[in-house]
Amino acid sequence: DAKTTQPTSMDCAEGRAANLPCNHSTISGNEYVYWYRQIHSQGPQYIIHGLKNNETNEMASLIITEDRKSSTLILPHATLRDTAVYYCIVRVVGYNKLIFGAGTRLAVHP
Amino acid sequence: NAGVTQTPKFQVLKTGQSMTLQCAQDMNHEYMSWYRQDPGMGLRLIHYSVGAGITDQGEVPNGYNVSRSTTEDFPLRLLSAAPSQTSVYFCASSYVRGRLNTEAFFGQGTRLTVV
Repeated sequence: DAKTTQPTSMDCAEGRAANLPCNHSTISGNEYVYWYRQIHSQGPQYIIHGLKNNETNEMASLIITEDRKSSTLILPHATLRDTAVYYCIVRVVGYNKLIFGAGTRLAVHP
Repeated sequence: NAGVTQTPKFQVLKTGQSMTLQCAQDMNHEYMSWYRQDPGMGLRLIHYSVGAGITDQGEVPNGYNVSRSTTEDFPLRLLSAAPSQTSVYFCASSYVRGRLNTEAFFGQGTRLTVV
């Protein structure tokens, strides 16, 4: 699986959009980009995934660059409950092993 | 649906003791896995299984055994606990290849302390 690089930490004001970047310059053509988050010490929670088109669901939007070497997770209106560690993972769909990096610690403040 | 259920939630062991962490899922997922998470770090894969009777090693398998006799259950065994195994353990499950919804579901974790 391709490796990913994320900033260690980020801050965001409540109500503003949180844009979390991820670099995956060695991604292969059949690898998807997955995002999970871990709130406090709970089990990780799936957010969204995509291949090359932008994706949106009720939780977030995922923007993948045309060359697929980087992506951005967007939380459109961050709340205090979005404070968590966010993990960007690339893998082949159906190949279920998830290899976690250190992730980005997002702090949403009032 | 209960999702992924881990028991116990907390456990303290003495060095050398053995125990089994339980994991059960009710979503008929073929794939199950165990992770450990040390303070301030990401999750590391211990063992995984792609179906009943099939298991394989992850990144940090030493000191742990697994078996998969049913689709629902995937227990993790510590044969002789060591202080280095103090960690939070997460179990996860998902469908395997060929399905669109392959996102993983995680349990709430077992916090293990070895003294």
